[in-house]
Amino acid sequence: DQQVKQNSPSLSVQEGRISILNCDYTNSMFDYFLWYKKYPAEGPTFLISISSIKDKNEDGRFTVFLNKSAKHLSLHIVPSQPGDSAVYFCAASARGSNYKLTFGKGTLLTVNP
Amino acid sequence: SQTIHQWPATLVQPVGSPLSLECTVEGTSNPNLYWYRQAAGRGLQLLFYSVGIGQISSEVPQNLSASRPQDRQFILSSKKLLLSDSGFYLCAWSVLGQNEKLFFGSGTQLSVL
Repeated sequence: DQQVKQNSPSLSVQEGRISILNCDYTNSMFDYFLWYKKYPAEGPTFLISISSIKDKNEDGRFTVFLNKSAKHLSLHIVPSQPGDSAVYFCAASARGSNYKLTFGKGTLLTVNP
Repeated sequence: SQTIHQWPATLVQPVGSPLSLECTVEGTSNPNLYWYRQAAGRGLQLLFYSVGIGQISSEVPQNLSASRPQDRQFILSSKKLLLSDSGFYLCAWSVLGQNEKLFFGSGTQLSVL
């Protein structure tokens, strides 16, 4: 049962344009959401997070939006750069679950020069 | 600053052979430690987590086991590897109060042939 879903395995964007990565979840107990970035043969690195009490969090070129009623979050990267090319994982955790993270399958973002 | 070391980076093992992957964390005390696996075409799956020495919680039934002989050392083992054990294994740590934010090691690519 996939509680965190990233339905787009890949996304290709031109440099300078906006990248939008989407994530859906089914567990209504999730109250904290994170995005991780992963390069080949490396461990994921934390990118940005959002608590369920917010609907938007911004950090430089990266913004995460949360729509609790739709159980949907998205990561916006503006402007996209070739160095952003990586696999992006969406993750969620629920209070009371010892904060274990549940990850999606990831979306491969390719930013073309 | 905190660092996490995971080795080896790649490993090719025959079916039925034993496995031992080691992970150590520096620069922090009493971290929560985790083993994740990314199988082909799948997201990051939590295998084990530990909140202290000798305390191991297993998330999914499998052919693997974990041990934490020291505060900052986490070991993933198997007595007899299966083909289905192939995957990218990641060790991670978090600190009390920030359990949602995991810091990952560089991973071990295990191929069971």
